[in-house]
Amino acid sequence: GIQVEQSPPDLILQEGANSTLRCNFSDSVNNLQWFHQNPWGQLINLFYIPSGTKQNGRLSATTVATERYSLLYISSSQTTDSGVYFCAVSMDSNYQLIWGAGTKLIIKP
Amino acid sequence: DTGVSQNPRHKITKRGQNVTFRCDPISEHNRLYWYRQTLGQGPEFLTYFQNEAQLEKSRLLSDRFSAERPKGSFSTLEIQRTEQGDSAMYLCASSLTDREELNNYGYTFGSGTRLTVV
Repeated sequence: GIQVEQSPPDLILQEGANSTLRCNFSDSVNNLQWFHQNPWGQLINLFYIPSGTKQNGRLSATTVATERYSLLYISSSQTTDSGVYFCAVSMDSNYQLIWGAGTKLIIKP
Repeated sequence: DTGVSQNPRHKITKRGQNVTFRCDPISEHNRLYWYRQTLGQGPEFLTYFQNEAQLEKSRLLSDRFSAERPKGSFSTLEIQRTEQGDSAMYLCASSLTDREELNNYGYTFGSGTRLTVV
């Protein structure tokens, strides 16, 4: 089945720093989403981005479907950005999301 | 609409007992998904409904697990004869079908039900 790899597994930054999280996937997908899981366990959808680039405030994401990777950019990090960031994909006509292992982000004040 | 609601938030049960969880999706969403997440891992797909029809079921879902979505509204997930390995967070999500709506909103997850089997 499709494999999803996220890097780095852990990231510790000072408040105000910028970061780039990467998601590689092993096969063609028609659905790619980025999620943030906060320290209380709530999963928040950040982007639905099977291709192209999107921006929402300090966050942006780019997916290059032909090269099978996606990047999540976080600028001017805040302590509330801490948590685990997951990339999840699904293939055409298959609605189950396959998840990466996540990147654990800690933003220090 | 306050989003996807799951009840209970926490459940502690003795091994061998049956448990049932409920998920109320966003009212206009016709798709509903169940996932399971263990500590330090990403969620794993369990099953998926479009309206009241259960269209896909993971091999992870043993015969002890059953899910329903009567009338295409709320859904229940039942685990019979619970085992310690069933301890996990059970997550429900919902979404629309239309690709443009998915593009704008993606999937919405509930807060989950944390099951502990002792």
